[in-house]
Amino acid sequence: DAGVTQSPTHLIKTRGQQVTLRCSPKSGHDTVSWYQQALGQGPQFIFQYYEEEERQRGNFPDRFSGHQFPNYSSELNVNALLLGDSALYLCASSPTGQGLNTEAFFGQGTRLTVV
Amino acid sequence: DAKTTQPTSMDCAEGRAANLPCNHSTISGNEYVYWYRQIHSQGPQYIIHGLKNNETNEMASLIITEDRKSSTLILPHATLRDTAVYYCIVFNNAGNMLTFGGGTRLMVKP
Repeated sequence: DAGVTQSPTHLIKTRGQQVTLRCSPKSGHDTVSWYQQALGQGPQFIFQYYEEEERQRGNFPDRFSGHQFPNYSSELNVNALLLGDSALYLCASSPTGQGLNTEAFFGQGTRLTVV
Repeated sequence: DAKTTQPTSMDCAEGRAANLPCNHSTISGNEYVYWYRQIHSQGPQYIIHGLKNNETNEMASLIITEDRKSSTLILPHATLRDTAVYYCIVFNNAGNMLTFGGGTRLMVKP
């Protein structure tokens, strides 16, 4: 079991550009959540996808969007990149939403640097 | 979700027990206490969770006070590889997101 895999591992983009990050969930998991972790801080929830729909969203602007595919993999898109978007982006998967007696499994993250 | 309060940092000698406290005085009856840790430059790793009973697994033990307003994560025999940031999170199983605070930076020293 490969666990949660994210690609790419590192990425450098220029202000104003757009970026797409990818996540494959752990086998058997159908729910994917995305988190942003700025340097020295805890991860912040961006949104969660289940059944190919956004189920819950954190306090992030519309520049952040996502998608979930029928095979449960997911993409995070960020438009009009700002320097402040530089962070580690984490994907977490869980079975049918994170509920009773379940835990989220995290990928290693994508380190995005905006210059 | 209820907020948690954890010490910013702690040290522990290798081979000794590491006891990491967490206050969650506003926890609701249906909220679980979860612990994750994050080793430098890696994604968070699930450790353990509980509702009101003490829990133990191969990684750690979780002690929750009777009033559920605080808890302690215990790593019984800390190793250098346990050096990490440990996050205490209270989670409503009707919700969908984990709310991370600043966590406790545990340094295990030889």
